[in-house]
Amino acid sequence: SQTIHQWPATLVQPVGSPLSLECTVEGTSNPNLYWYRQAAGRGLQLLFYSVGIGQISSEVPQNLSASRPQDRQFILSSKKLLLSDSGFYLCASGAPGYTFGSGTRLTVV
Amino acid sequence: KQEVTQIPAALSVPEGENLVLNCSFTDSAIYNLQWFRQDPGKGLTSLLLIQSSQREQTSGRLNASLDKSSGRSTLYIAASQPGDSATYLCAPRGGAGSYQLTFGKGTKLSVIP
Repeated sequence: SQTIHQWPATLVQPVGSPLSLECTVEGTSNPNLYWYRQAAGRGLQLLFYSVGIGQISSEVPQNLSASRPQDRQFILSSKKLLLSDSGFYLCASGAPGYTFGSGTRLTVV
Repeated sequence: KQEVTQIPAALSVPEGENLVLNCSFTDSAIYNLQWFRQDPGKGLTSLLLIQSSQREQTSGRLNASLDKSSGRSTLYIAASQPGDSATYLCAPRGGAGSYQLTFGKGTKLSVIP
């Protein structure tokens, strides 16, 4: 079975600072990888997905970017954080069934 | 665009009751449907995965059904326990030209001892 590792669990960052969230996957090779965001009181929103190294698709235009430098590594980045980037960020691997990481709670102050 | 609705938004039941959570989706051209639970501040835990060709899946006290043609799924929880308290999320994969999961806003379940 797959295991998704995400870190850090909690992050508080000032507006305008950079961001790097990392996700790694164990137990599978060449997985489809996903970044989701869950804002307070809202559903899960797909931000990016990747079907292979260097292949990134963006679902929502925004202040964030993603990269996949290795088969089992998926990184979410921002050059300058906005207040609206606050939320709970989840990495996932699939399919057919999706497996999620434990998430990173990002608060931009 | 696939849209997912979960009813009720919140539910409070006494321990031991059987309960049903409902999920509806607008585009029936899905590949599968997955039910997850999310504890406060935590990630998602997969409960059941139903392929589009299946009608139901069971795991312990949980049973999920899928009526693809009508765009509905239900999650049945038997003999509820306080440890079942969490938010339950329904997520069909596919529909409306997408291969991805679309999530509902969830049903927040509280099981009272």
